[in-house]
Amino acid sequence: EAQVTQNPRYLITVTGKKLTVTCSQNMNHEYMSWYRQDPGLGLRQIYYSMNVEVTDKGDVPEGYKVSRKEKRNFPLILESPSPNQTSLYFCASSLGGSYTEAFFGQGTRLTVV
Amino acid sequence: GQQLNQSPQSMFIQEGEDVSMNCTSSSIFNTWLWYKQEPGEGPVLLIALYKAGELTSNGRLTAQFGITRKDSFLNISASIPSDVGIYFCAGHDAGNNRKLIWGLGTSLGVNP
Repeated sequence: EAQVTQNPRYLITVTGKKLTVTCSQNMNHEYMSWYRQDPGLGLRQIYYSMNVEVTDKGDVPEGYKVSRKEKRNFPLILESPSPNQTSLYFCASSLGGSYTEAFFGQGTRLTVV
Repeated sequence: GQQLNQSPQSMFIQEGEDVSMNCTSSSIFNTWLWYKQEPGEGPVLLIALYKAGELTSNGRLTAQFGITRKDSFLNISASIPSDVGIYFCAGHDAGNNRKLIWGLGTSLGVNP
C-alpha cells in the first residue's frame, strides 16, 4: 500500500531535549516536505527536499533541521525544542517538484513542556 | 508566506444540503488541489485540477479550475455526516512552482 509513515504519532518532551521525527514513503517520490499545523494558521511548510541531498527552507524553518540521505526518508530534527514548537506535524511526499499532488502522513502531535 | 483566501471559514449545514466553498489567489496558479482533513488524520487529496476551466468530479464532489486561473471552487452535493471535516485548497503559483500554497481551510459540520 502506498503510504507516508511518520513516527511517533504522539510525543511529549521537555525543553531542550533533542528529538527526531521520522518520515518514510514507499512511492519512490522525489519531493518531500514537512509542515506544521496550528489552529487558525493552517498548514505552514517548514522544509522541503526536491531530491536526495537537496533541501531548502520553507516558510517557518527556524528551530528545525532536516536531512535527505535516502530518497525514501526525510527526518525532521529539533535540536533544542521549545514550547512554541508544540504543534501537529505532517510529512508529505509527491512524485515531482512541480504540479503534482502531495500525499500526507498521519501526523505527529508534539508537545514541548 | 503566501496564502490563499479560502471561504467560508466554517459552515454548518443540514444533511442532504449542497455545499460550496471557494479559494482565490492574487496571482495566477498552474494547479489547484482540494484536500479533506478529518480529526486526527493528515489531509487526503480529493481532487486535482491542472487546466484553466477544468471541471472534475469525484463522487458527490465537483471542483473547477477558474478561467482566470486565480480561483477554484469545490461543491459537495447531498451532504452526509461523513463529509464533516476541514477542506483545504492548495495550488502552485505559476511564478514559483517549487511548493504548494495553502488556504486556511473551511470547517464543515453536518447536522444529521
